[in-house]
Amino acid sequence: QKEVEQDPGPLSVPEGAIVSLNCTYSNSAFQYFMWYRQYSRKGPELLMYTYSSGNKEDGRFTAQVDKSSKYISLFIRDSQPSDSATYLCAMSGSGGSYIPTFGRGTSLIVHP
Amino acid sequence: SAVISQKPSRDICQRGTSLTIQCQVDSQVTMMFWYRQQPGQSLTLIATANQGSEATYESGFVIDKFPISRPNLTFSTLTVSNMSPEDSSIYLCSVEEASGGRNIQYFGAGTRLSVL
Repeated sequence: QKEVEQDPGPLSVPEGAIVSLNCTYSNSAFQYFMWYRQYSRKGPELLMYTYSSGNKEDGRFTAQVDKSSKYISLFIRDSQPSDSATYLCAMSGSGGSYIPTFGRGTSLIVHP
Repeated sequence: SAVISQKPSRDICQRGTSLTIQCQVDSQVTMMFWYRQQPGQSLTLIATANQGSEATYESGFVIDKFPISRPNLTFSTLTVSNMSPEDSSIYLCSVEEASGGRNIQYFGAGTRLSVL
């Protein structure tokens, strides 16, 4: 079993839909949870990060962490074609240098 | 966040040759990281490069295959040596920056390598 599991998709939704992207993990030491967005032919860019359990909102994006279930989610409201990209979850433990463990990424396609 | 430039952005190479990838950052950073991203796979850390010391390699990666240089606080190179088609991948340079009391990693655009 991999430390971080993420469905690669692709996930195809119509414009305006609410998108839910998810990751599960097995390492209970993970404390920091990140979502990166990667457009085709680009490097990953950090979207959001959260610490421990709870929700964090930034515009149309909401990150949710449920440590009891070892499950994290990224919700995208009012999805746009420009949101079409691969979304990678990443997570790390506390203390020391931050070297995250990444999921495989979920390919999202938002069609007009 | 720091601006990270990688060169080349892509290359097609012949089996048995070597390619050196450059990573330039617009600010001084202590640690730089090199990742590999194979199709359908998660980002895999190759090595961590600190200025003035030998790079630290992750399990499965060795210096003879992936020599790294870190001559100063803004620059690093990764060489992919004696390439085979299995080395076809995206190679990414990354740096750490402090954000909200935590170090976060930021990435360059990557080098897309195809080995024939």
